[in-house]
Amino acid sequence: AQTVTQSQPEMSVQEAETVTLSCTYDTSENNYYLFWYKQPPSRQMILVIRQEAYKQQNATENRFSVNFQKAAKSFSLKISDSQLGDTAMYFCAFMIPSGNTPLVFGKGTRLSVIA
Amino acid sequence: DGGITQSPKYLFRKEGQNVTLSCEQNLNHDAMYWYRQDPGQGLRLIYYSQIVNDFQKGDIAEGYSVSREKKESFPLTVTSAQKNPTAFYLCASSRAGTVGSHEQYFGPGTRLTVT
Repeated sequence: AQTVTQSQPEMSVQEAETVTLSCTYDTSENNYYLFWYKQPPSRQMILVIRQEAYKQQNATENRFSVNFQKAAKSFSLKISDSQLGDTAMYFCAFMIPSGNTPLVFGKGTRLSVIA
Repeated sequence: DGGITQSPKYLFRKEGQNVTLSCEQNLNHDAMYWYRQDPGQGLRLIYYSQIVNDFQKGDIAEGYSVSREKKESFPLTVTSAQKNPTAFYLCASSRAGTVGSHEQYFGPGTRLTVT
C-alpha cells in the first residue's frame, strides 16, 4: 500500500520570503504521479502543481516549484515570494495511473503567511 | 462553466436520521470520489466509482452508502450507523483509464453537523 507523509503540521513564513513544504511517500511502483493541492480558508481544494515520476525535470508553476527526488521518494514544494493569499492547508498526494487507484493524500501542512 | 457542485453547503440533521449529500459534475469525467475531512486527519476516502453502476469502498466506508446511476451524479448517504458523522465532506471527479495524470477536481464541499 502506498503512503504519503507530511512531517510539518504547521509552518509560517514572512510575506515575500520563500518556504519549502516537505512530503515523502512510500511505493514499490515505478510509474506514478505526485500532486500538491491547496485548501484556503474557503475549503475549496485547488490543484497547485503535478509531477510525473518518469520526468526528471522538476515541475514549476509561476511561484510554485517542486524538488522531486525519486530515489529518496521525496517531493517538496517551494513557494517563492510568498503572498498573503498563499495562506492555506497544503496536501501532498500520490497516484498510480494503472489499475485506476484513487489518490492517496498526506495529512496536510497548514501554512500561514505573515505580513 | 464546467465543474462540480455539491449541495447544500451546510447541512444539519438530528442523530438517527439518514442524510444524502448531493454531488453533480458536468466535466464528463468517468471517475468520482467521496472524501471525509476532519481536523488533523487530512482527506480520507469513503467511496469511489470508476464507471456508472460500479463503485468500491474506500478506507472508511462503514456507515455510508453510495449509488452511481448516472455519469454526472454520485450521491452519498450518511446512515444512522455512522458513529461520528459530523465532518466536512468533499466530492471529486477525474478522468479514468490508464492515460493521463488523472488529477482530481473538487467540489466546494458540504459541512454536515449531526446533533
